[in-house]
Amino acid sequence: EPEVTQTPSHQVTQMGQEVILRCVPISNHLYFYWYRQILGQKVEFLVSFYNNEISEKSEIFDDQFSVERPDGSNFTLKIRSTKLEDSAMYFCASSFQRETGTGYTFGSGTRLTVV
Amino acid sequence: AQTVTQSQPEMSVQEAETVTLSCTYDTSESNYYLFWYKQPPSRQMILVIRQEAYKQQNATENRFSVNFQKAAKSFSLKISDSQLGDTAMYFCAFMKQGGSEKLVFGKGTKLTVNP
Repeated sequence: EPEVTQTPSHQVTQMGQEVILRCVPISNHLYFYWYRQILGQKVEFLVSFYNNEISEKSEIFDDQFSVERPDGSNFTLKIRSTKLEDSAMYFCASSFQRETGTGYTFGSGTRLTVV
Repeated sequence: AQTVTQSQPEMSVQEAETVTLSCTYDTSESNYYLFWYKQPPSRQMILVIRQEAYKQQNATENRFSVNFQKAAKSFSLKISDSQLGDTAMYFCAFMKQGGSEKLVFGKGTKLTVNP
């Protein structure tokens, strides 16, 4: 069964450093998403991406964050200058169509720890 | 804005028994989708079941079924014949139909199935 693959599974970084979280969505999917889950809290929407541009973003997704699909297969989330409060699980997801009532396919997540 | 509330942070059930997880939501929308996602210790978010708001019939997927009460804005998940592999976090989620692609999640219910 097709999977969304995220790497690394766990990343530790120092405050102020840049991090790039990587995702390989399912190959025929067109819509891509990042969500995050701070420990013990809700899973929160960050951004959606389609046709090489952001289609929707939350208030969490400020200028510190950026996304891109550099090579047609990877989908990355960059945090420019990490803060302690960026520590969370980050989930990538993809779907074949927009607003899918079938739900997305999620990856296993990257646990980001900022120290 | 939509909100999703899961009032049971933790639940436990004996193997082979039935358990019901509660979810309520708040929205002014008429058309939307509702989902239950499972997050086992492997961390991947797995779609368990979905419901279109315009359908009166409750969705069923094998041992999983929902009780969708649109007027009450309630969407509970029933797991029959619970298995050890059902041990996981369960998240209820809402998606508006039209205009937004994001999932709005509840805080989750940690379900433990005991042998």
